[in-house]
Amino acid sequence: EVQLEQSGAEVKKPGESLTISCKGSGYDFTTYWIGWVRQKPGRGLEWLGIIYPADSDTRYSPSLQGHVTITADKSITTAYLQLSGLQASDTAIYYCATHQGIYSGVVYWGPGALVTVSS
Amino acid sequence: NFMLTQPHSVSESPGKTVTISCTRSGGSIATNYVQWYQQRPGSAPTTVIFEDNQRPSGVPDRFSGSIDSSSNSASLTISGLKTEDEADYYCQSYSRVSQGVFGGGTKLTVL
Repeated sequence: EVQLEQSGAEVKKPGESLTISCKGSGYDFTTYWIGWVRQKPGRGLEWLGIIYPADSDTRYSPSLQGHVTITADKSITTAYLQLSGLQASDTAIYYCATHQGIYSGVVYWGPGALVTVSS
Repeated sequence: NFMLTQPHSVSESPGKTVTISCTRSGGSIATNYVQWYQQRPGSAPTTVIFEDNQRPSGVPDRFSGSIDSSSNSASLTISGLKTEDEADYYCQSYSRVSQGVFGGGTKLTVL
């Protein structure tokens, strides 16, 4: 059974950095892309970026480039989303998800991780 | 980059058919695949259509997707509406340089 296990809820202060993890199991971690999506309270879905764990080929949303870093460690089948210089507007649920191809849709979604940024 | 525009909300009665549109501005709708995601309140999204018109296993054939180059749009059609279909629906596609974009979402009310 394919599972994506995300790290738990976080509360951060403005200006701090954050790393969220997403551990994949039940499938060949290196053959699926892993994407990151966030949803701010009461808002729609926002695409953040995507990574191919086999070679770490990565794409980012133009509006978030420089603020977001996506990495993957295939040895422990885990992908990471790092956000730097957090602002209150980064408060959101962050989802990881697997994609069969870079242009394909999500195959499996993670449960999401709530991040709250507040002073 | 480009945008995907969806109606804010649609409503229809149980048993009827509803179609949700997703219009691309800035490039052709056929540039890359369109996906559709369903999100019920308080839950993570799920995929109902991928690669324009493909259904993941477990998604009933009441859900179908299509693209129309003449209107530069994609559509999600749900037939035989059930109350359980009430949810937010998002379309999603990619740019030529593999950057993803979501539509703003459509709230489907089944009443």
